[in-house]
Amino acid sequence: KQEVTQIPAALSVPEGENLVLNCSFTDSAIYNLQWFRQDPGKGLTSLLLIQSSQREQTSGRLNASLDKSSGRSTLYIAASQPGDSATYLCALYSGAGSYQLTFGKGTKLSVIP
Amino acid sequence: GAVVSQHPSRVICKSGTSVKIECRSLDFQATTMFWYRQFPKQSLMLMATSNEGSKATYEQGVEKDKFLINHASLTLSTLTVTSAHPEDSSFYICSASRTGGWGYTFGSGTRLTVV
Repeated sequence: KQEVTQIPAALSVPEGENLVLNCSFTDSAIYNLQWFRQDPGKGLTSLLLIQSSQREQTSGRLNASLDKSSGRSTLYIAASQPGDSATYLCALYSGAGSYQLTFGKGTKLSVIP
Repeated sequence: GAVVSQHPSRVICKSGTSVKIECRSLDFQATTMFWYRQFPKQSLMLMATSNEGSKATYEQGVEKDKFLINHASLTLSTLTVTSAHPEDSSFYICSASRTGGWGYTFGSGTRLTVV
């Protein structure tokens, strides 16, 4: 059974810092990996989707990498802003006959002005 | 871009009553929709997968008679929590996968409080 772990559970940084969020998974046979952002009491906003054949994806100040062999993905946020404060979730699709996503518990990010 | 609308965003109901939550894909067809539940400080847990025109597939431990899912069209899925109890209080989120495409679009979630 796929297990997804996100470390740290919470992170607080001053505005302007670059930061890295980590996601690890136990089964490297994944189809794709997706990073989401969740604001308090809200749904999920997709940030980046990485197919298993890709090693990274970039969107603006965000860069996500994927290393299937080591079971890891990172989300890099450059020049953090207070508006980046949210919980960041990674989720995996293993392609096991359904479209089920397996989520980590998330990293709660606080960017201090 | 793909948009999924979920209503209501917040609902309070009395124990023993039923609550219906709607999930609509506004600008795309979604053959498959998913219903998740999220408890505080926990990850999203998949409850069921619904395919248009067929019965939903429930995850282990989810009572299908309690959580009724209907996916009558390519743009609408509903989740009805029947005979709700306080332990059903949670954040429910739907998502939809675009037919023939990749990626998942999530609704804004429904905060259910059963008193």
